[in-house]
Formats: sequence, C-alpha cells, structure tokens
Amino acid sequence: GEDVEQSLFLSVREGDSSVINCTYTDSSSTYLYWYKQEPGAGLQLLTYIFSNMDMKQDQRLTVLLNKKDKHLSLRIADTQTGDSAIYFCAERNGGYNKLIFGAGTRLAVHP
Amino acid sequence: DAGITQSPRYKITETGRQVTLMCHQTWSHSYMFWYRQDLGHGLRLIYYSAAADITDKGEVSDGYVVSRSKTENFPLTLESATRSQTSVYFCASSETTVGHRNYEQYFGPGTRLTVT
Repeated sequence: GEDVEQSLFLSVREGDSSVINCTYTDSSSTYLYWYKQEPGAGLQLLTYIFSNMDMKQDQRLTVLLNKKDKHLSLRIADTQTGDSAIYFCAERNGGYNKLIFGAGTRLAVHP
Repeated sequence: DAGITQSPRYKITETGRQVTLMCHQTWSHSYMFWYRQDLGHGLRLIYYSAAADITDKGEVSDGYVVSRSKTENFPLTLESATRSQTSVYFCASSETTVGHRNYEQYFGPGTRLTVT
C-alpha cells in the first residue's frame, strides 16, 4: 500500500544543521517533495527531487534520495529561527498527480 | 489578486448541517484537490479533479461532495456535518502534467472548520 512516514518532532539549535527523514513505500513514485507549513498557513513547496536523482542541492537545502531503501531526507544547513515550521514529505503517486503526504515533522529551532 | 483562495477561513457549524467550503484559483490550472489536515495524519486527500466536470474520490471521501462546473472553482460540501469532520481543509491546484514536470501543487491558506 501507499504510506509515507516521518518522525513527528525535531529540535535543533540555531546555526546547526537539521536533518528531517522520511520513508515511503511506493517504489514507482516518480517525484518526491518537501513542503513547508508555517503556523496558520497553507503548504509551500520547498524542493523536490526526481526519482532518478540521488541528491539535489538548493542553497541551504540538500535532499538525499536512497531508492533502494525508499528513504528521503532533507538537510537544512545553518538552521534559523525562521525555519521553525512543519515539514511534510510527499510522494507523487498515480497518473492524476496525486500526492501522498507524511504526517509532518515539526521543527523547533532554539537559540 | 492572483492565486488560490479559500472561503470562509473559519467556520463553526452544528452537527447535521450542510456546509460548503469554497476554493477559487486564478491560474486556470487543470487539477484541483481537497485535503483535510488532522493532527498525526498529515494531509489526506478527500477529492480531486483533473478538469471541469471530472472529479474522483480520494482516500477519505465519505460524507463529502464536490463539483467542478468551472475550471477556477472547486467547492467542497459536507452534506450533513459530523464532529469527526472538524478539521483544517486545504484546497490545492496544479497545472496539467504536460510542460510542468515537477507537478507542483499550490495550496490555499486553509479553512478551519469546527462542527459542534
């Protein structure tokens, strides 16, 4: 079946790196995404990776994909208080652009 | 303003009442989606639509009805609201798969619905 799992909470110190992990079950997923949700707001796409890639870097963000283990991670370098939010991992499934979301990881950044 | 909007932003209703949540997008995106967000569950798909007059059920569609007579609007109706439908509802849209290969979905700000 389709399932995306994430740890629910991560706390880091300002300036450190954050690593948010995600596992998925559908080996046919073509795209995997990281969305960010700030309090009281909708989701905003942070980055995505195509399934034939192992890594994608975008400024402070690094996405690693291990297809064999169906594991996706998001690394945020030099984490700032403005990075405090909920981060959702999602996989694209099916021909109708459906996304399957994880439960979200709440990132708390403390001084 | 361009973008995707939802109304109302907050709604309190009573059990058994019918309530409609509105979603409007100005991009002429083909695809539109309704999700609900509940603690511990992330976002779960209620209904989606690939184009006007084409809709299909998601994983949690029971108790909900949608329509899509115009490309830009995708209302979600709770026919007889129950307390279990208390949630935050998000609408999203995305372009057709041709020419937009990352399939990004753009989300509205959400509607917080409380059923008493």
